[in-house]
Order: sequence, then structure tokens, then C-alpha cells
Amino acid sequence: GGIITQTPKFLIGQEGQKLTLKCQQNFNHDTMYWYRQDSGKGLRLIYYSITENDLQKGDLSEGYDASREKKSSFSLTVTSAQKNEMAVFLCASSKTQGYAEQFFGPGTRLTVL
Amino acid sequence: GDSVTQTEGPVTLSEGTSLTVNCSYETKQYPTLFWYVQYPGEGPQLLFKVPKANEKGSNRGFEATYNKEATSFHLQKASVQESDSAVYYCALRANSGTYQRFGTGTKLQVVP
Repeated sequence: GGIITQTPKFLIGQEGQKLTLKCQQNFNHDTMYWYRQDSGKGLRLIYYSITENDLQKGDLSEGYDASREKKSSFSLTVTSAQKNEMAVFLCASSKTQGYAEQFFGPGTRLTVL
Repeated sequence: GDSVTQTEGPVTLSEGTSLTVNCSYETKQYPTLFWYVQYPGEGPQLLFKVPKANEKGSNRGFEATYNKEATSFHLQKASVQESDSAVYYCALRANSGTYQRFGTGTKLQVVP
């Protein structure tokens, strides 16, 4: 088995601030994902990475940057936090993209003041 | 593009009653279909997946049939328990798609 760790669990920032969320997985999975979860809107993909140093944009990439520094870690940066961005950000990984089961972390809850 | 539409929640049921969460999908490809469950304070986890049309998936008393003609994948359970209270997500991955696409989620609350 394995686990996905997301830090921090809660993140509070000021409007306009640059904020970074981190994700680590020990499944040795190739593909990692960042989703945003808003009530009533489900899971929307922000970025994904097929392998180390690869980055692919999802449906909601504007206002975000991502970085896959090594196979086990995937960071997401909110470039300029906005009040309407308060949501839960979920990191996930899968052995390969697409068909394989995705394993999710517990999430980071972002609050913008 | 690909899309998934599912029952809007929240849905409140009494323990022992039956559950149906509707899921319809749109794609021009041949998808693999998934149901995920998310318990409070946790990330979603796979309930089951079905890669082939007209086949059924099941786990923990939940089941769904991949109906290609109706483009549906409705989640059912004959008798829900309080521990089934969670958010349920339907998802698809088209065979030439690059990632899974999720529905908006259906929150289920089961009361004693």
C-alpha cells in the first residue's frame, strides 16, 4: 500500500498573496494530479503530470502554476489568491494516466481573507 | 467534449431503504466508467470501475451497470446504512482521453 500526504492541511492567505501547496506520494506512481473541489461543482482538474518534470494543463489552470520536482512530489502554486478561490485542493496519483485507479490525499483547505 | 451529469444532492434516506444515484455521460469515445466515494475529512476513493459496455461493477453492496445504449451508469444499493453517508462521484475516462472527468458529486445522508 501507500499514502498521499498533503501539506498544509489548512492554508490561510491574504488576497493577492502567492501560496504553495505540497503533495507527496510513496506509491511510486508515474502520474500525479491536482484538483479543486468546490461545493456543487465537483472535482475540476487544475494540472497533471505524467512523469517527473512533465506538466499538463487541466480545465482550470489559469491562476495556478505547478511543479513536479521529482517522481514522488507535486506542488501547486496559487499565483495571486482571490477570495472566490476558497476551496479544498486535492492531490491524487495513479500508476498510469487515464484508466488506472486514482488515489487521493485528504486535501488542503484554502481560506483567503 | 466529455461530460458527466449526476443526481443533484443532497439526498436524505432512512436506513434500510434503497438508493439510486443517476449518472449520465457524453463522449464520442468508448469510456471506462468509475464510481468514487468520499467520506467526511478524506479524499475520494474508488468504489469500482467498469471498462466494458453492458458489464456490471460492484463493491460493498453498491452496483452499477454500464449501459452504452442509454449512456448511463446509475449507482444502486438495495439497503443503505448510516455508514454509507458520503459524497459519491461518477467519472469517465474516454479511451483516447488524457484524464478522468468527474461529475459534480451527490451527497448522501442516511438517517436512523
